[in-house]
Amino acid sequence: AQTVTQSQPEMSVQEAETVTLSCTYDTSESDYYLFWYKQPPSRQMILVIRQEAYKQQNATENRFSVNFQKAAKSFSLKISDSQLGDAAMYFCAYRSAKGSNFGNEKLTFGTGTRLTIIP
Amino acid sequence: DTAVSQTPKYLVTQMGNDKSIKCEQNLGHDTMYWYKQDSKKFLKIMFSYNNKELIINETVPNRFSPKSPDKAHLNLHINSLELGDSAVYFCASSSYRNTIYFGEGSWLTVV
Repeated sequence: AQTVTQSQPEMSVQEAETVTLSCTYDTSESDYYLFWYKQPPSRQMILVIRQEAYKQQNATENRFSVNFQKAAKSFSLKISDSQLGDAAMYFCAYRSAKGSNFGNEKLTFGTGTRLTIIP
Repeated sequence: DTAVSQTPKYLVTQMGNDKSIKCEQNLGHDTMYWYKQDSKKFLKIMFSYNNKELIINETVPNRFSPKSPDKAHLNLHINSLELGDSAVYFCASSSYRNTIYFGEGSWLTVV
């Protein structure tokens, strides 16, 4: 079974600075997807960024980028120019790409990192 | 238009009651899910359905019964509610090998 580990329960960063959230995962599969989801106090789960394992290029979405190290099974999220609205819980998640059935593609989540932005 | 919508958003009920949470998606996805987020914020899958067929059932008590009348709807019925059922329940949907999109969550409090 796959596992996802987020070793930083809490992080804080000064507004406008850069912060990196760590995520490692364990899998024997070669084809999979990795995600970062953001959960603000409203509890809505918002997709931040997605990475396909077969792609060597790191995904980027505006101020958000990832450092995907497949051999090391590491998937960190970098937030540049941090803004007050970035304050939230951030969840790293894994999804297999070899589901034998449609619908057998669950997300396995890490325990989350609470990010605080200091004005 | 909300892509994945759940109702109700908030639900407070007494132990022993039966309650339902409804979910609808307008994304045309074939697969829908229920996830549970406990008090420690840990998210875990409960069920998945593909075209009305149950695919994943993650050792959830029999008191929880999902029902999918069509591929755009997945409801969750909970019998004999217990204090430990208090959580946020998320509905989600996806198409094959694509991103899973979540609803806004339904906050269930059992008193």
